[in-house]
Amino acid sequence: GDSVTQMEGPVTLSEEAFLTINCTYTATGYPSLFWYVQYPGEGLQLLLKATKADDKGSNKGFEATYRKETTSFHLEKGSVQVSDSAVYFCALILRMGSNYKLTFGKGTLLTVNP
Amino acid sequence: KAGVTQTPRYLIKTRGQQVTLSCSPISGHRSVSWYQQTPGQGLQFLFEYFSETQRNKGNFPGRFSGRQFSNSRSEMNVSTLELGDSALYLCASSASTSIVDTQYFGPGTRLTVL
Repeated sequence: GDSVTQMEGPVTLSEEAFLTINCTYTATGYPSLFWYVQYPGEGLQLLLKATKADDKGSNKGFEATYRKETTSFHLEKGSVQVSDSAVYFCALILRMGSNYKLTFGKGTLLTVNP
Repeated sequence: KAGVTQTPRYLIKTRGQQVTLSCSPISGHRSVSWYQQTPGQGLQFLFEYFSETQRNKGNFPGRFSGRQFSNSRSEMNVSTLELGDSALYLCASSASTSIVDTQYFGPGTRLTVL
């Protein structure tokens, strides 16, 4: 079935370090891909998205490129800040006719230390 | 503009009881989706309502049901509660008819089943 696999956390980095959170997917069709972020005590927020192959989503210094050949959507940021500490979720939406299927990864906890 | 609100924020119930959770979407949003978040299973899609009709449904038993009112507010009901129903229940609203577009999440209702 359709699934999303994220690198297991927790991930701990120092401020200004480079961040990569790996995400790969398995889908029977052609999904749209998303990264969501959940800050402590808050609801999920859409961070970025890509709807077709080779699209790059970007927001707040984060980037992810939809790679159909490797079925991946890795999240990257060149220089993390303490305020980036949160749980990050990779997700896919697969449209099936008039319906759709939404699948999330398990989430990756990122802690950034000053 | 007020965000998505969910009530109550915390709830404690015992096995066998039923519970109703409420979600008020952002003004003007007609789509409301519900999710269950647990440490073991992660984030899972329950169902989505659009203009008072259930448009999509995840793989949850019939004990989980929902409805949407004409003002777009939505309720989720869980009957015959089980210990495994303890989770954070998230609601999200969207202005668009397409789920691919941005969803805005509420802070969630933390349900504990004893």
